Amino acid sequence: QPVLTQPPSSSASPGESARLTCTLPSDINVGSYNIYWYQQKPGSPPRYLLYYYSDSDKGQGSGVPSRFSGSKDASANTGILLISGLQSEDEADYYCMIWPSNASGVFGGGTKLTVL
Amino acid sequence: QVQLVESGGGVVQPGRSLRLSCAASGFTFSSYGMHWVRQAPGKGLEWVAVIWYDGSNKYYADSVKGRFTISRDNSKNTLYLQMNSLRAEDTAVYYCARDGGRPWSGYPFNWFDPWGQGTLVTVSS
Repeated sequence: QPVLTQPPSSSASPGESARLTCTLPSDINVGSYNIYWYQQKPGSPPRYLLYYYSDSDKGQGSGVPSRFSGSKDASANTGILLISGLQSEDEADYYCMIWPSNASGVFGGGTKLTVL
Repeated sequence: QVQLVESGGGVVQPGRSLRLSCAASGFTFSSYGMHWVRQAPGKGLEWVAVIWYDGSNKYYADSVKGRFTISRDNSKNTLYLQMNSLRAEDTAVYYCARDGGRPWSGYPFNWFDPWGQGTLVTVSS
C-alpha cells in the first residue's frame, strides 16, 4: 500500500498563501494520478475541495472558492494544494488522496494548517 | 438537499459484530457508487470500501478484507457496512460518502462528496 507523505503542520499569516504538499512514493508517478484534496475542521466531516490531474483536467468542489487551487511538481513527485489570500476560516486539517491501480484508495497523513 | 446520515455505531467487544447504516436522501441513490471511510480518534482518514451503484462490484481496504462487507438496498436508499471479527484498531468514526463520478459509472474511484456526519464505533472489552 503506497504512502502519501504530507507535512504534519504548516502555518501562514492571513492574506498570505499556503502551499501544502503531498509527496508520492518514488514508484508511483504523480503525473499519472488525479490528486484529490479534502479539508476537515474539528468536529466536522471532511469536505471535498478539488482534484488536479493537469491544467486541462481539474475540478473544483461545489462552493469551493477559487483561491483554493491544485498543481503538481513532477520533479518532486508531489501534488500541491495552494491556498491564496489565507483567511482564519482556512485553519483546518488538509488531506490528499489518490486511487492507485489496485482499486484501493489511499490518503495522506494530513497537514494541520494554522493561520497565524 | 443531498444528505447522508449514518447510524448503528456504538461500543462493541472485540470479536463481535456490528452493522452500520447510511440513509441517503436528496439524490438518486441507485445511480451512484458509495464509499465508507473511517477515522480513528485523533488520526487521519482511511478509505474502507466501495460499492458500485448497482451493487455489482465491491472493493475493500486490505485492513478490513474478509471481515467487513459493504452492501446496499437501493429500494431503501440505504448503504450498509457489516463489520465482523472487530478489533480494537477498528475503533473509529465511520463516514459514508457518495462517489463524485457520473451516475451509473462503472468506475467509482473519484472524489467523495458529500460525506455524512459519521458514526463512532468503539471496540473495547
